Amino acid sequence: DAGVTQSPTHLIKTRGQHVTLRCSPISGHKSVSWYQQVLGQGPQFIFQYYEKEERGRGNFPDRFSARQFPNYSSELNVNALLLGDSALYLCASTLTGENPYEQYFGPGTRLTVT
Amino acid sequence: AQTVTQSQPEMSVQEAETVTLSCTYDTSESDYYLFWYKQPPSRQMILVIRQEAYKQQNATENRFSVNFQKAAKSFSLKISDSQLGDAAMYFCAYTGANSKLTFGKGITLSVRP
Repeated sequence: DAGVTQSPTHLIKTRGQHVTLRCSPISGHKSVSWYQQVLGQGPQFIFQYYEKEERGRGNFPDRFSARQFPNYSSELNVNALLLGDSALYLCASTLTGENPYEQYFGPGTRLTVT
Repeated sequence: AQTVTQSQPEMSVQEAETVTLSCTYDTSESDYYLFWYKQPPSRQMILVIRQEAYKQQNATENRFSVNFQKAAKSFSLKISDSQLGDAAMYFCAYTGANSKLTFGKGITLSVRP
């Protein structure tokens, strides 16, 4: 079975631009979470979606938004990019929203903002 | 708010030896889970071991075991018979009722041949 997949692998954007990152969960997993990992730090929680509804949001500005589609894949959108948004963006899927010990991570998308 | 603290930024171990990575956490919740994740240079975050707070017995997965001290809010990872492939960043993480993972800053483990 395929694991969590994310696209693209790498991305370079300019300040002020918009970016969309994509995530496909493991087949059968209905919950997706997004994390931002700045170089040298641990991942920071951004969003969690379960059955297409937002279940949690971390301490990130409104420039960050996300959504989950009927097939449980998800998009993370970031508007008006800042240099500080440069990071590895990780997606994790869970079988249900109530089983936190089953979070499986994708390989991440490396975003560089210049 | 929950916090996870990993105070050692780096550690080194000789191949085949044992190493212990430290982690402390703070929470007011009584029901929660603790994890150790491994992140090699490939960036893939891999779950190493998990511990349910209500279980008194320390979790063990092959060469990996934890020392869970609930009263002290301590959760250390012991790696026995260290192998070159164990070299990576290791993150301690917590999750409670809100199902979000809170990570520590991580520790870089190097293994000397």
